[in-house]
Amino acid sequence: AQSVTQLDSHVSVSEGTPVLLRCNYSSSYSPSLFWYVQHPNKGLQLLLKYTSAATLVKGINGFEAEFKKSETSFHLTKPSAHMSDAAEYFCVVSGGTSYDKVIFGPGTSLSVIP
Amino acid sequence: GAGVSQSPSNKVTEKGKDVELRCDPISGHTALYWYRQSLGQGLEFLIYFQGNSAPDKSGLPSDRFSAERTGGSVSTLTIQRTQQEDSAVYLCASSRNGWNEQFFGPGTRLTVL
Repeated sequence: AQSVTQLDSHVSVSEGTPVLLRCNYSSSYSPSLFWYVQHPNKGLQLLLKYTSAATLVKGINGFEAEFKKSETSFHLTKPSAHMSDAAEYFCVVSGGTSYDKVIFGPGTSLSVIP
Repeated sequence: GAGVSQSPSNKVTEKGKDVELRCDPISGHTALYWYRQSLGQGLEFLIYFQGNSAPDKSGLPSDRFSAERTGGSVSTLTIQRTQQEDSAVYLCASSRNGWNEQFFGPGTRLTVL
């Protein structure tokens, strides 16, 4: 079985400063990991995914995440926040087989202060 | 190609009525998920279909909720005797298999008066 924890329910940063959204997971298998973003009143969009290739994954809009097996973490980062980054971010884990459903974290709300 | 579609986009119903929500997944995707998202909340898993396997219904909140997937494609989520707490956005997602990235539909906003 797998699970995912997002350590911060809300993060607030100033425009132009770095973003760090934390995610820890547990999985019985080699997991696949994803980050999704949901802008206000919009649908869910895939930001990036890790599927056992390079541990540093680059996504859309300048976001990236690093898979650290020893720390069971998959934190999302961006060097410089933009106002348009304000949204809800979900970390997602999959156990890697069709018998393990995808598990969504509770989400982190990112606010960007001008 | 076409993405995941859901209908209706909005549904307003009276307490006690039954509703049916439809999801058309991406063609060829074997996995289909239903989620519920209440205002300002995260995603609540409802049910998971994978190929011809028995669905994982562990997230259905009560026996008023049911879902089926016909021919491994279209899925219908049915809520019987709707209650006000059922008001939420119901999201459908499909993926090529059970563990790969999910593609989400636009959702159905259900309002129970």
